[in-house]
Amino acid sequence: GAVVSQHPSRVICKSGTSVKIECRSLDFQATTMFWYRQFPKQSLMLMATSNEGSKATYEQGVEKDKFLINHASLTLSTLTVTSAHPEDSSFYICSALLQGPYQPQHFGDGTRLSIL
Amino acid sequence: SQQGEEDPQALSIQEGENATMNCSYKTSINNLQWYRQNSGRGLVHLILIRSNEREKHSGRLRVTLDTSKKSSSLLITASRAADTASYFCATDSNNRLAFGKGNQVVVIP
Repeated sequence: GAVVSQHPSRVICKSGTSVKIECRSLDFQATTMFWYRQFPKQSLMLMATSNEGSKATYEQGVEKDKFLINHASLTLSTLTVTSAHPEDSSFYICSALLQGPYQPQHFGDGTRLSIL
Repeated sequence: SQQGEEDPQALSIQEGENATMNCSYKTSINNLQWYRQNSGRGLVHLILIRSNEREKHSGRLRVTLDTSKKSSSLLITASRAADTASYFCATDSNNRLAFGKGNQVVVIP
C-alpha cells in the first residue's frame, strides 16, 4: 500500500517551456503532499508543501510564481515549472503523507528535468 | 533548512559485512527517519524512530537515536549487494522533513 506515482519520469525541453509534473497517491488520500528538488550527488531540498484545497506553502528562497503548485484533489498534486531555464534542470521528487501520527512520507520515483 | 546531517561518507564493503552510518542534527524533532535511494529513483522509507525512543529494529536494520547528542545511527547487518544505494536521514518537525547529505554505500559481491 501507500503507492505514489509521479509522471513524467523524464522531460527534455527547450528553454522557455513550461513543464507540468504530476504526483498521484494511488491507494490512499493525501491532504498533504511535498515537492523536493535534488541536484546530482546532493540531498533533497524541500521546495513546498502542497495542501489540498488551499495554497501551497513555499520554503524560503523558492519562487512561487516560478514553481506553481496545484492540489485540487486528495490524490493529485501538480508542480508546473514556468518558463524553465537551464538552471532549473534538476531531479524533482514528490511525496505524500498518510494521515495520522508518526507517518512516514511516501515518495514518487522522481522526474528528471533537463532544459536545453 | 537542512537539519539532518550525515557524516558525508562513501562506504565500500564486502557482502556479509555490516555498514554503519551516522547522522547529526541541530534542533528539536518529533521523530527521525531513514530513507534509501537507488540511483535515479525516489526514496524508500526504512525506519521511523520517535523522539522518545532510543533504538528500533526492522529486519537487518537497526537505528539508534540519542536526543541528548542530537545524533542517530543506522546499522545494516549482513549486507547484500542489493543494499547498494544512498541512505539519508531526515528530521521531522511538524511533518516537514529536513534531509541530511546522504551516505553512498556500495556492497561488493
